Amino acid sequence: EVHLVESGGGLIQPGGSLRLSCAASGFTVSNNYMTWVRQAPGKGLDWVSVIYSAGTIFYAESVKGRFTISRDNSKNTLYLQMNSLRAEDTAVYYCARGGGTSFDPWGQGTLVTVSS
Amino acid sequence: QSVLTQPPSVSAAPGQKVTISCSGSSSNIGNNYVAWYQQLPGTAPKLLIYDNSERPSGIPDRFSGSKSGTSATLGITGLQTGDAADYYCAAWDSILSAGVFGGGTKLTVL
Repeated sequence: EVHLVESGGGLIQPGGSLRLSCAASGFTVSNNYMTWVRQAPGKGLDWVSVIYSAGTIFYAESVKGRFTISRDNSKNTLYLQMNSLRAEDTAVYYCARGGGTSFDPWGQGTLVTVSS
Repeated sequence: QSVLTQPPSVSAAPGQKVTISCSGSSSNIGNNYVAWYQQLPGTAPKLLIYDNSERPSGIPDRFSGSKSGTSATLGITGLQTGDAADYYCAAWDSILSAGVFGGGTKLTVL
């Protein structure tokens, strides 16, 4: 069964850093496009970043230069390194298999709260 | 302000049909595939429609998708109370080189 589990969220002060992990099972992360999507409390979905199987990476303008997507093939895990965090980065962060527009499945999400 | 435009809410009675629109531009819907997602309260989104009109396995044929020009539509027939959820459209934007979502539509089944 294909499954994704995010971890690493928590409360962090503005300007701080956090690394999210997304552990995959039932498929190989490096053979797939993988995407991060976030959802601020009570708001809609917000696309964050994608990494293609060949390694091409794209970011939303709002996180470019601050966030870095990566993967560890040996651990079959996707990461999102988040630096210079701002209050507006507060959200549930989901990882999902797929790129472009078709994301399936999604993880359960991990909450990141940026506040002093 | 979302790149893709959806109505904030729609409603219909059980058993009825509802459509949800998603409007974009030539850089996203006009030249790329559209997907639709269902998000039940407190849960992660679920893929309903991909490649404009294809259903993943396990998605009932009550759900359908279509695209025309720079707009897309999700249709749901035989509404059930369990269909009450937020629905999102998504597309790739070739100018932004980024994924884009609609603002979401809250479906109320009266």
